[in-house]
Amino acid sequence: GQQVMQIPQYQHVQEGEDFTTYCNSSTTLSNIQWYKQRPGGHPVFLIQLVKSGEVKKQKRLTFQFGEAKKNSSLHITATQTTDVGTYFCAPLTAGGGADGLTFGKGTHLIIQP
Amino acid sequence: NAGVTQTPKFRVLKTGQSMTLLCAQDMNHEYMYWYRQDPGMGLRLIHYSVGEGTTAKGEVPDGYNVSRLKKQNFLLGLESAAPSQTSVYFCASSQYRADQPQHFGDGTRLSIL
Repeated sequence: GQQVMQIPQYQHVQEGEDFTTYCNSSTTLSNIQWYKQRPGGHPVFLIQLVKSGEVKKQKRLTFQFGEAKKNSSLHITATQTTDVGTYFCAPLTAGGGADGLTFGKGTHLIIQP
Repeated sequence: NAGVTQTPKFRVLKTGQSMTLLCAQDMNHEYMYWYRQDPGMGLRLIHYSVGEGTTAKGEVPDGYNVSRLKKQNFLLGLESAAPSQTSVYFCASSQYRADQPQHFGDGTRLSIL
């Protein structure tokens, strides 16, 4: 399968600080999805990016897809305790079938009040 | 609206025992997936199905078998459990294609002694 690297693996922030996680692929992507998993829970779909350079916002969350469609980022502004969890990117390679969707190892967001 | 339901939620097995994990979805989705999640490894695809009666191997298929006799059900079998199969198993489904949002079940926590 394709190689996808998600960084950082862990991120500790004070409540109110910003947070960013990055997803980098070795190959050009068809699209990329982002998921959030709360501690003890299951992954929940957040968003999908398809177009080169695409930027989408959901309240305090901003998602970007790189111009070359090889990387993506998720930025959270002014974190809150409800943002705690693990954020996964799930890139899909161009022309890939179901086995072309690979999950990154995730970034664990820990928030200190 | 139940979405994706996994049974059982917890199970402890002895090495060499067999068992079947059941996944049921009520969204009429075509695609279904089985993942395992281990600390630091993210989600790894075991097997998937693109429709009733079809199955295919994912990234880590060894030691597992699957069946999709009915569109709404996807079964994951362990023929002879090994300690290395201790993990959290997630089932997911998506509507038509791999590039559509995946809906996850709550997971099955499996321990092999």
